[in-house]
Amino acid sequence: AQKVTQAQTEISVVEKEDVTLDCVYETRDTTYYLFWYKQPPSGELVFLIRRNSFDEQNEISGRYSWNFQKSTSSFNFTITASQVVDSAVYFCALKWDSSYKLIFGSGTRLLVRP
Amino acid sequence: KAGVTQTPRYLIKTRGQQVTLSCSPISGHRSVSWYQQTPGQGLQFLFEYFSETQRNKGNFPGRFSGRQFSNSRSEMNVSTLELGDSALYLCASSLADLREQFFGPGTRLTVL
Repeated sequence: AQKVTQAQTEISVVEKEDVTLDCVYETRDTTYYLFWYKQPPSGELVFLIRRNSFDEQNEISGRYSWNFQKSTSSFNFTITASQVVDSAVYFCALKWDSSYKLIFGSGTRLLVRP
Repeated sequence: KAGVTQTPRYLIKTRGQQVTLSCSPISGHRSVSWYQQTPGQGLQFLFEYFSETQRNKGNFPGRFSGRQFSNSRSEMNVSTLELGDSALYLCASSLADLREQFFGPGTRLTVL
């Protein structure tokens, strides 16, 4: 089965705290792509990152970092020194090589309080 | 480069009516996908088009249909609207391999 699980429904932190959003995936394919999207209250899904299954190198972009571990089928997202503007719903998604669609997790709502 | 645009942004319809939503992809993108987002079901894939051909379809009833034009613009149609069709409908565009999908702002449909 192809599936994405985001077990954390909602997380609340105080500004400047670090926060990690978990994503666990299932797929039979050896070639696949993992994504993170941010959905602010406006509704538009904002693309954050794509990772392919052959590249387990962790990535850092400013305050954002991603930890991809095939051994545990996880692709976790960490925000360092969170800010109020980070408040949004974050979705993890999976695409396997032969498919023409994304499978999304249920999303994690992040609330960063001042 | 302009992003994905969707029109209209908001729609209110009554049960039994039909509705057409429009999506214009990023210039150069020939793949357009549609997703439905509801609080109960989350983000669900509707269908994907590339070069006017539907390559994949999600598990939705036949009331949901779509098409793509030669300029890559796409429309989706929902006939005989039901209350449960109330949702945010998101369109995404990408190059052929869908390795990066960029989403539009969505059309929020309310069925009364």
